[in-house]
Amino acid sequence: QKEVEQNSGPLSVPEGAIASLNCTYSDRGSQSFFWYRQYSGKSPELIMFIYSNGDKEDGRFTAQLNKASQYVSLLIRDSQPSDSATYLCAVSANAGGTSYGKLTFGQGTILTVHP
Amino acid sequence: SAVISQKPSRDICQRGTSLTIQCQVDSQVTMMFWYRQQPGQSLTLIATANQGSEATYESGFVIDKFPISRPNLTFSTLTVSNMSPEDSSIYLCSVEDPQVGRIYNEQFFGPGTRLTVL
Repeated sequence: QKEVEQNSGPLSVPEGAIASLNCTYSDRGSQSFFWYRQYSGKSPELIMFIYSNGDKEDGRFTAQLNKASQYVSLLIRDSQPSDSATYLCAVSANAGGTSYGKLTFGQGTILTVHP
Repeated sequence: SAVISQKPSRDICQRGTSLTIQCQVDSQVTMMFWYRQQPGQSLTLIATANQGSEATYESGFVIDKFPISRPNLTFSTLTVSNMSPEDSSIYLCSVEDPQVGRIYNEQFFGPGTRLTVL
């Protein structure tokens, strides 16, 4: 079983729709959860992070975390063609009370928003 | 967030040679990380670099193949040694950007170094 698994893509949605990206993780000790966006030929860009159960909203993006189900998702409302990219889910297990954690990435989901 | 630069941005190298990649940050950071992203794949952590101590390598990565230096709080290098075509990848450095009062610190990535080994 992969440590961090994302829903298989590619995902294609029409402009203006809601894109839903899902991620599950295997380590119950995971503490922090991140969504990165990566455009082709570019490095990953952090767009959302969450570490408490529930929802976190930032503009058109909402991250949802359910630690009991070991599930984290990203919703993109009013999707735009500029949202077309690979979305990477990353999970961090805070190491013994220190202030950093190693990131483990999922395989990524390719999102295409078509006009 | 910290501004991160990498050199070179890309290179084409011959089998058996070595390449050193530099990562420079515009502010002092405790943790720096080196990742590899093979074509069409996700990111895999190679090692964590702390200033003043030996780098910590992940399973499958060894110091002889990927020696790392971290001479100060703003700079690190990764060397890819005795390269083979299987080393063709994008190599990315990232930093954890600590802020006062935060516990769970997000990581920010440099622009990456695209390496092709012939």
